[in-house]
Amino acid sequence: EAQLVESGGGLVQPGGSLRLSCEASGFTFSNHAMRWVRQAPGKGLEWVSTISSNGGITYYADSVKGRFTISRDISKNTLDLQMNSLRAEDTAVYYCARDATTVTTNYYYAMDVWGQGTTVTVSS
Amino acid sequence: DIQMTQSPSTLSASVGDRVTITCRASQSISSWLAWYQQKPGKAPKLLIYKASTLKSGVPSRFSGSGSGTEFTLTISSLQPDDFATYYCQQIRAFGQGTKVEIK
Repeated sequence: EAQLVESGGGLVQPGGSLRLSCEASGFTFSNHAMRWVRQAPGKGLEWVSTISSNGGITYYADSVKGRFTISRDISKNTLDLQMNSLRAEDTAVYYCARDATTVTTNYYYAMDVWGQGTTVTVSS
Repeated sequence: DIQMTQSPSTLSASVGDRVTITCRASQSISSWLAWYQQKPGKAPKLLIYKASTLKSGVPSRFSGSGSGTEFTLTISSLQPDDFATYYCQQIRAFGQGTKVEIK
């Protein structure tokens, strides 16, 4: 069974840094693009970043561009999100999610496997 | 950037009701639309992709339709397990969500 497990969340002061990790299991990690999606308390879902299956292409929401960096280690089946210059508005539950599309089946950017989320709180 | 607008924001319904949620895109997105269900404290679950294709294992009372800029998610007969918040999603943007609550 495909599974994603996030870690690394916590309390950090404004301007600080945090690194989130997501460990993948139960599927061929290198076959799928991966994403980070966040949800502020009581709010809706917000796409944060995407990385291609081989890690060569990355995309970022304007709200995090220049501050966050997505990366992946295919040898370790891990996805990371380095978050710098954190702001109060970055406070959220952060989910990693698998893009369902593979080379054989197009799921049109849908995300079919999600982690349980890790909570990031930016506060002094 | 393409904006996604869902309506209504909240919907009150009873078990057995037919429920329809609308999602509009600010420009054409062909059929590049997915629908998710999220319950409090849980991660979202994929229901539908490519606007109208039901993910394997999702009950057939859920259906999706539309293309271009206007899409709908329909629950044909609302069940107790369906009370949740629903989101539409195109490539890099989500709608603001529709909470389906008990009437």
